[in-house]
Amino acid sequence: TQLLEQSPQFLSIQEGENLTVYCNSSSVFSSLQWYRQEPGEGPVLLVTVVTGGEVKKLKRLTFQFGDARKDSSLHITAAQPGDTGLYLCAGVAGNMLTFGGGTRLMVKP
Amino acid sequence: NAGVMQNPRHLVRRRGQEARLRCSPMKGHSHVYWYRQLPEEGLKFMVYLQKENIIDESGMPKERFSAEFPKEGPSILRIQQVVRGDSAAYFCASSVRGGRGAVEQFFGPGTRLTVL
Repeated sequence: TQLLEQSPQFLSIQEGENLTVYCNSSSVFSSLQWYRQEPGEGPVLLVTVVTGGEVKKLKRLTFQFGDARKDSSLHITAAQPGDTGLYLCAGVAGNMLTFGGGTRLMVKP
Repeated sequence: NAGVMQNPRHLVRRRGQEARLRCSPMKGHSHVYWYRQLPEEGLKFMVYLQKENIIDESGMPKERFSAEFPKEGPSILRIQQVVRGDSAAYFCASSVRGGRGAVEQFFGPGTRLTVL
């Protein structure tokens, strides 16, 4: 069974602070995706990382895929209240997405 | 282009009743996936279907749960004789293609099932 562990589970910070969310696994994935989920809605894809060591930037969000393709991180610079939500990583293997437990982020103004 | 649609958005059932959850994929998508999400947890894969075929049901409980994706109409996730432990949010996703690799799945808003 492939498992993805996310840390921290909960994070409450002030507007303007930086933060990093981690996604770790003992399994290798062909690629890894990050999603953001708002309350009462389905997850929305933010990024897919495919190559070990890959770094992708999406405005203030920086995503990194570990060299061994087992772990990933999401770094947010100068967090804003609009960044509040549940961040989920998901490993891609075959037809299936394996999701981590999520990190619930709250950014206070 | 409408996104993935799910209905109902909220469903309340008493123990022992049946729950039917419907999912209409995005236009042009023929691959559908069902996931279950318990409160404060990530999504757990249940089943992957193509039109008229179940491709992977490794995440489906062996009893009471079934899924279909007929040639015409939405995909249906059916839960018979519901129990309190079935209370969760059920999400459907669709993709334009399936198979291996980083296929982008588009998620619906989910159906929140509450079993009394």
